[in-house]
Amino acid sequence: QITLRESGPTLVKPTETLTLTCSFSGFSLTSYGVAVGWIRQPPGKALEWLALIHWDDDKRYSPSLKSRLTITSDTSKNQVVLTLTNADPVDTATYYCSHGVGFGELDGWFDPWGRGTLVTVSS
Amino acid sequence: QSVLTQPPSVSGAPGQRVTISCSGSTSNLGAGYDVHWYRQFPGAAPKVLIYRNRNRPSGVPDRFSGSKSGTSASLAITGLEAADEADYYCQSYDDSLRAWVFGGGTKLTVL
Repeated sequence: QITLRESGPTLVKPTETLTLTCSFSGFSLTSYGVAVGWIRQPPGKALEWLALIHWDDDKRYSPSLKSRLTITSDTSKNQVVLTLTNADPVDTATYYCSHGVGFGELDGWFDPWGRGTLVTVSS
Repeated sequence: QSVLTQPPSVSGAPGQRVTISCSGSTSNLGAGYDVHWYRQFPGAAPKVLIYRNRNRPSGVPDRFSGSKSGTSASLAITGLEAADEADYYCQSYDDSLRAWVFGGGTKLTVL
């Protein structure tokens, strides 16, 4: 059974760096075609893909946030970390990490997802 | 504005059939990339409903079906039930953006 759990601060001040950790079990991030993605959802709004790390350590970022995002993995700990610099109130959202399936090609999908963690950016 | 366009809302009576459209472009659906569909209940994480255009994960009833043609895709739900009330999202890959993209989401209301 694949499970993922997001952890990190619930409140971040503007201009600070947000660091979120995705702890997972039930799969190996070194297996071909596997990925871990981060997706966020502002309150009452749609899903937005942020970043993805592939089984071969290839990393991809949302073009609109690329300069502020970093995704890394620690396969020995089964963790993926996402950092978002220069936090702004518009970054207030529920942040999800998800197991990526079928990413041996470009058009993979996300299944399952963690429960998500709500992060508020406010002074 | 999302790269994949969905109607903000659809509705139907119990037992009826509804469809949710997902309109893309030649850089995503029209480029041959598969579309995937997710369902999200209030306060919960999304779950995949349809993957690779028309495939259902185990446990998803055959009342749910997906199709794709050209730059558009659709999710059909037959035998509508009150429990189907949720938000539905399509997702694919976009060549121009070099990014994975979601639709704006569709809220399904069962009348």
